[in-house]
Amino acid sequence: GAGVSQSPSNKVTEKGKDVELRCDPISGHTALYWYRQSLGQGLEFLIYFQGNSAPDKSGLPSDRFSAERTGGSVSTLTIQRTQQEDSAVYLCASSWSPLGEGRETQYFGPGTRLLVL
Amino acid sequence: GENVEQHPSTLSVQEGDSAVIKCTYSDSASNYFPWYKQELGKRPQLIIDIRSNVGEKKDQRIAVTLNKTAKHFSLHITETQPEDSAVYFCAASRFSGGYNKLIFGAGTRLAVHP
Repeated sequence: GAGVSQSPSNKVTEKGKDVELRCDPISGHTALYWYRQSLGQGLEFLIYFQGNSAPDKSGLPSDRFSAERTGGSVSTLTIQRTQQEDSAVYLCASSWSPLGEGRETQYFGPGTRLLVL
Repeated sequence: GENVEQHPSTLSVQEGDSAVIKCTYSDSASNYFPWYKQELGKRPQLIIDIRSNVGEKKDQRIAVTLNKTAKHFSLHITETQPEDSAVYFCAASRFSGGYNKLIFGAGTRLAVHP
């Protein structure tokens, strides 16, 4: 079946502009996560959705970052007034709401590479 | 806060040799430990995972060991092949119900030379 998809694959923007990054999770996956991967670094947790609710937003770096999820499916990460330090790869992952062994696996999308000039 | 340290940052081996990557975690309540492989320009993909009620798990040429007392877990790859070359990430989480926030290590770049 179809995996997690993200769009756009690449985004170049000017400092101060707003950007929207989209994630389409695997159908039926109720849990959705956003991570950020800076060059040569590990993945940094940003936010977690269960259905349309975000019980954990603790990883969002500042109030310029926000995210929403609609219909228990598609999620959008918005970065307002982008800064150069926002340049990174933004990865989305989805999983089942775990009810048993093996259902906790997070499947990652290909990421959106954001470059802020 | 929660933290995962991963060593080494780079690892170079000859084809056929074994490779070992080590991680330590800070949150003693962590109970789920996945390993992801990320090839250049590709998405991270799960290669193996282990829960805290198990000390070791093996899948063909890869194995993971967990020492809960030391808060330490390791990835072992035997008979390495050039296609094993990638960046490997360990992670830890306090997996509960539907919530599984992964804390990642910084990654190990493995190069397998023919």
